[in-house]
Amino acid sequence: DVKVTQSSRYLVKRTGEKVFLECVQDMDHENMFWYRQDPGLGLRLIYFSYDVKMKEKGDIPEGYSVSREKKERFSLILESASTNQTSMYLCASSLFWYPLEGTGELFFGEGSRLTVL
Amino acid sequence: AQSVTQPDIHITVSEGASLELRCNYSYGATPYLFWYVQSPGQGLQLLLKYFSGDTLVQGIKGFEAEFKRSQSSFNLRKPSVHWSDAAEYFCAVPDSNYQLIWGAGTKLIIKP
Repeated sequence: DVKVTQSSRYLVKRTGEKVFLECVQDMDHENMFWYRQDPGLGLRLIYFSYDVKMKEKGDIPEGYSVSREKKERFSLILESASTNQTSMYLCASSLFWYPLEGTGELFFGEGSRLTVL
Repeated sequence: AQSVTQPDIHITVSEGASLELRCNYSYGATPYLFWYVQSPGQGLQLLLKYFSGDTLVQGIKGFEAEFKRSQSSFNLRKPSVHWSDAAEYFCAVPDSNYQLIWGAGTKLIIKP
């Protein structure tokens, strides 16, 4: 089975701190994604990556950056955390770039709940 | 622009009763549609998808969904819910850049 592991389930940080959220997948998937999940808003795409060292902005990239130095690892970085970044962050991976290829399935980690005080 | 609407934020159903979760979409061409489930403390999991062909699609865990083009709907159904079905359910459709647009989610509560 595909496994997507997010390093921290719960984090509490202070305003202005730099925050790293790590995600590792074990199925050699080309594509990785970071979403933000907020009640009533569903999932919103922050960034995605279709190859090592490649990244693309999603719908809400402001205040975030990403790093993909190895195929299996995709990191989300909050350079200076703010209270409005308090949220659940979901990492996902997929075999295909185009969600309609193959099964079109995204595989998700369990999420990282970040609280910024 | 593509969009997805899940009109119900919460739905409460008695265990053993039938279930229907609504999903409406706005899409220019033949849509591709997905339902995912997020059980408490777990990652999202694909329940089923519609790409083309038969408008009634079967998924995992006994769920099915019916694509109705005339109503722009892709409602999720289950004939008899179990307590383990308590979760949040998300409908999604790809946008013009092939990334998924997600509905706001429907939280399913099961009454014993």
